[in-house]
Amino acid sequence: AQTVTQSQPEMSVQEAETVTLSCTYDTSENNYYLFWYKQPPSRQMILVIRQEAYKQQNATENRFSVNFQKAAKSFSLKISDSQLGDTAMYFCAFMKFNYGQNFVFGPGTRLSVLP
Amino acid sequence: GAVVSQHPSWVICKSGTSVKIECRSLDFQATTMFWYRQFPKQSLMLMATSNEGSKATYEQGVEKDKFLINHASLTLSTLTVTSAHPEDSSFYICSATGGKNIQYFGAGTRLSVL
Repeated sequence: AQTVTQSQPEMSVQEAETVTLSCTYDTSENNYYLFWYKQPPSRQMILVIRQEAYKQQNATENRFSVNFQKAAKSFSLKISDSQLGDTAMYFCAFMKFNYGQNFVFGPGTRLSVLP
Repeated sequence: GAVVSQHPSWVICKSGTSVKIECRSLDFQATTMFWYRQFPKQSLMLMATSNEGSKATYEQGVEKDKFLINHASLTLSTLTVTSAHPEDSSFYICSATGGKNIQYFGAGTRLSVL
């Protein structure tokens, strides 16, 4: 079975600074997807970024980028130029490669962006 | 992006009554939908996986007679909490899988059982 670990329960960052959230996972699969979702106080889950394990290039979405280390089974999220609206719970998630597979979520990291 | 509508957003009911929560994919066909439960300050816990036209697959420890799931069409899945009790009070979230192996989430339903 797959497991996802997020070792930082809470983090804070000053507005406009950069922060990195950690995620490690355990799997015997070779092909899979990794995701970062954010859950702001509204509790709506929002997709931040997605990475296919067979792609060596790290995914990037505007201020959000990942450092995907497949051999180390590590998938960290870097948020640059942090904004107050980035304050949220961030969940790392793993999904097997086959269509329609369920997610395995990590426990989450609560990020606070301070003015 | 793909939109998933979940209704109601908040429901209060008396102990012993049943509550139905709807999850609709508005602009795509969702072959697979998922139902999660989230306790305060915790992660999402998968309850069941629902495929259109077939019986839902429940996770270990989830009572299928308590949490009835129906996925009658490619755009609608429902979760019915039967004979609800205070311990069923929680935040319930649905999601739907589109063609890109991405789960799109509803806004969630807060259930309070008195």
